[in-house]
Amino acid sequence: GQQLNQSPQSMFIQEGEDVSMNCTSSSIFNTWLWYKQDPGEGPVLLIALYKAGELTSNGRLTAQFGITRKDSFLNISASIPSDVGIYFCAGRNLLGNTPLVFGKGTRLSVIA
Amino acid sequence: GAVVSQHPSRVICKSGTSVKIECRSLDFQATTMFWYRQFPKQSLMLMATSNEGSKATYEQGVEKDKFLINHASLTLSTLTVTSAHPEDSSFYICSARGGGRGEQYFGPGTRLTVT
Repeated sequence: GQQLNQSPQSMFIQEGEDVSMNCTSSSIFNTWLWYKQDPGEGPVLLIALYKAGELTSNGRLTAQFGITRKDSFLNISASIPSDVGIYFCAGRNLLGNTPLVFGKGTRLSVIA
Repeated sequence: GAVVSQHPSRVICKSGTSVKIECRSLDFQATTMFWYRQFPKQSLMLMATSNEGSKATYEQGVEKDKFLINHASLTLSTLTVTSAHPEDSSFYICSARGGGRGEQYFGPGTRLTVT
């Protein structure tokens, strides 16, 4: 099925560094969501975005809904070891019960 | 945030047997529930979408007679893997959509191993 282009695929960073990852799509989305998945667990919703241009923060996390509605980014500031995991972007292009379209994930490793 | 539970978290079964996985939205009513399958180091693969009281919509390539989905109430959906085979071994995750803006929340997943 349709997928989002999420990059980078993986990142190795030092503790305390800032992180940025993004997703792009060839089609317009009305909703962008960012999830984090720890090993052996289900994804946990981090941030939800509903309007083009919207910038939303959740603690050290900040995400933006691109103006074109075809992209979104997630920034993590001052990374800590517990930020390790896989981050997925997801988009939905219609209201109603259409399923989310997922990116392939960004695997984040934090070196203490 | 909204809580979705999944049971069991882990199950081992013999080839040919059936396994039922339950998904519950604990503090909200889920108009729609989704079932995903995830292979190691891969993204989530949508298997089916179910709305309460109606038949599930399966994604292409997913056998509806093998993966039976029942969405009997606004807080409960079940996935039954019938006549399981080793290739059905995977991580199955349910997700429930509800709330004011239709956010989607995931359960903790069920690790199925078929021997």
